Amino acid sequence: KQEVTQIPAALSVPEGENLVLNCSFTDSAIYNLQWFRQDPGKGLTSLLLIQSSQREQTSGRLNASLDKSSGRSTLYIAASQPGDSATYLCAVQANNLFFGTGTRLTVIP
Amino acid sequence: DADVTQTPRNRITKTGKRIMLECSQTKGHDRMYWYRQDPGLGLQLIYYSFDVKDINKGEISDGYSVSRQAQAKFSLSLESAIPNQTALYFCATSDRTSGSINTQYFGPGTRLTVL
Repeated sequence: KQEVTQIPAALSVPEGENLVLNCSFTDSAIYNLQWFRQDPGKGLTSLLLIQSSQREQTSGRLNASLDKSSGRSTLYIAASQPGDSATYLCAVQANNLFFGTGTRLTVIP
Repeated sequence: DADVTQTPRNRITKTGKRIMLECSQTKGHDRMYWYRQDPGLGLQLIYYSFDVKDINKGEISDGYSVSRQAQAKFSLSLESAIPNQTALYFCATSDRTSGSINTQYFGPGTRLTVL
């Protein structure tokens, strides 16, 4: 069974810092990897999707990388802002979508 | 208006009661999903449906049933609720594509508490 792990579980940074969130998965036979943002009381919002044939995707201050052979992905957030505070989930798509447990990010003004 | 809506948003019930959670979508997607999220755990797939006549069990389907009443509606039932079904429940949708791109769009969630 696919297992997805996210480290760290929680992270606090001062505003303006660049940061990296990590995701690892056990089975490299995936179709794609997605990063989601979850805000309290709200659903998940898709941030970036990387197909298995791609190595990275960028959207604004966000950059996600994928190394399928090693089972790793990173989400890089540049110049963090308090509005970035949320829980970030990665998920890998095989037959179904398998989620990690998330990293709770707090950006301190 | 939200593309994926869930009702109710919060529900408190007692052990043994039958509960139905409803999901509606206006995205025109064929595929719909039900997940549950527990503290410290990732989302786990309960059931999914690729079209009205196609229902599939996910990782943790025991104790749950679903009904796909129409393309836009997918409901989740707990026939006899138990306390360990207390969780946050999410509905999601995705479009049918010929490839592997399959972004899922999530509803706001239903917080269910079983006493």
